[in-house]
Amino acid sequence: AQKVTQAQTEISVVEKEDVTLDCVYETRDTTYYLFWYKQPPSGELVFLIRRNSFDEQNEISGRYSWNFQKSTSSFNFTITASQVVDSAVYFCALSKPGGYNKLIFGAGTRLAVHP
Amino acid sequence: NAGVTQTPKFRVLKTGQSMTLLCAQDMNHEYMYWYRQDPGMGLRLIHYSVGEGTTAKGEVPDGYNVSRLKKQNFLLGLESAAPSQTSVYFCASSPGYLNTEAFFGQGTRLTVV
Repeated sequence: AQKVTQAQTEISVVEKEDVTLDCVYETRDTTYYLFWYKQPPSGELVFLIRRNSFDEQNEISGRYSWNFQKSTSSFNFTITASQVVDSAVYFCALSKPGGYNKLIFGAGTRLAVHP
Repeated sequence: NAGVTQTPKFRVLKTGQSMTLLCAQDMNHEYMYWYRQDPGMGLRLIHYSVGEGTTAKGEVPDGYNVSRLKKQNFLLGLESAAPSQTSVYFCASSPGYLNTEAFFGQGTRLTVV
């Protein structure tokens, strides 16, 4: 069975701090895809990144970076120099090939960035 | 581009009432989905469709029905609403290939009293 665990329910930081959101997944498939989505207070879901299981390179996009480690089944997300606009709920998700792009979501981590 | 549009955005129902949530996408996507979001549980798949005229059950299908008569529309029906169906409902769509990302609507907040 597939499962995604985001153990951090809520994180609170002060602006300009770095913060890492943890994501641990379980799957028996050798090929799979991992995603991060952001849900700001307005409620919509915003796609951030997709990573396939064969690509273990870390990725950086501006202040955002992702660390994918198959050995520990983790796909962690770091925000550098956090800003108030980063305040949101962040979801990690998993899908598998041939699975019609159905997503298995973690419970989400609520990030509050205070001025 | 409108993307994925859900109507209505808010609704309050009494127990036992029925309603239909409408999802429309203008990206010509093959796949469409209905998820529900509950506190502490993330999003869970209710039903999905891999093409016009097809539907399939997801993780939590009980109490819901769906239809996809046109490729661009995916309807979610509640025949007899229960308080346990109080949730935020999200529709999503994706192209029919290669595990690309899903595009989500703005959500429908449903309260059943």
